[in-house]
Amino acid sequence: QVQLQESGPGLVKPSETLSLTCTVSGGSISTYYWTWIRQPPGKGLEWIGYVYYSGSTGYNPSLKSRITISVDTSKKQFSLKLSSVTAADTAVYYCVRDNYSSNWYYFDYWGQGTLVTVSS
Amino acid sequence: DIQMTQSPSSLSASVGDRVTITCRASQTINNYLNWYQQKPGKAPKLLIYAASSLQSAVPSRFSGSGSGTDFTLTVSSLQPEDFATYYCQQSYTPPRTFGQGTRVEIK
Repeated sequence: QVQLQESGPGLVKPSETLSLTCTVSGGSISTYYWTWIRQPPGKGLEWIGYVYYSGSTGYNPSLKSRITISVDTSKKQFSLKLSSVTAADTAVYYCVRDNYSSNWYYFDYWGQGTLVTVSS
Repeated sequence: DIQMTQSPSSLSASVGDRVTITCRASQTINNYLNWYQQKPGKAPKLLIYAASSLQSAVPSRFSGSGSGTDFTLTVSSLQPEDFATYYCQQSYTPPRTFGQGTRVEIK
């Protein structure tokens, strides 16, 4: 059974960089897209971006200037860095597997989510 | 970006009811439409992918239909564990986008 686990600080100061890591267990990190999705408290879901196991990336244009997503296949981890954070970046951050099967894409495995609060 | 619009935003229903949630895309997405269920404090769970394919281990009372721009999620007989928020999501093109959610509450 594939499992994903987010880790990182739960509190970040305004203007600083949010850094999260997701560790994948129970399955291969290869041949999949690995994605970050966030959800502000009480609101809907926002796709942040993905990294392919090869290292190629795709980002949400609304966040692109502030995002870096990377992968370390040897550690079975992928990471998110979001710079210049504001209170609007306060959210539960999920790491997610974006499965590509038979020409279809879907988010089939999710981490439990980690709440990151931006506050001084 | 492709905008996804769900209706209704919320609904009240009783156990055993048939429930239908609609999702409309701002442009055609063929069948690249997925449905998720989210319970409070939990991560979303994949129910349906490719508009009508049931994810493994998801009960058969859930079904999806539609193509192009208009899609439907149906729960044939609502069970107590189905009270949750449901999201549609398009995987036709990045950025992946979600509907705003439909909250299904107990009547």
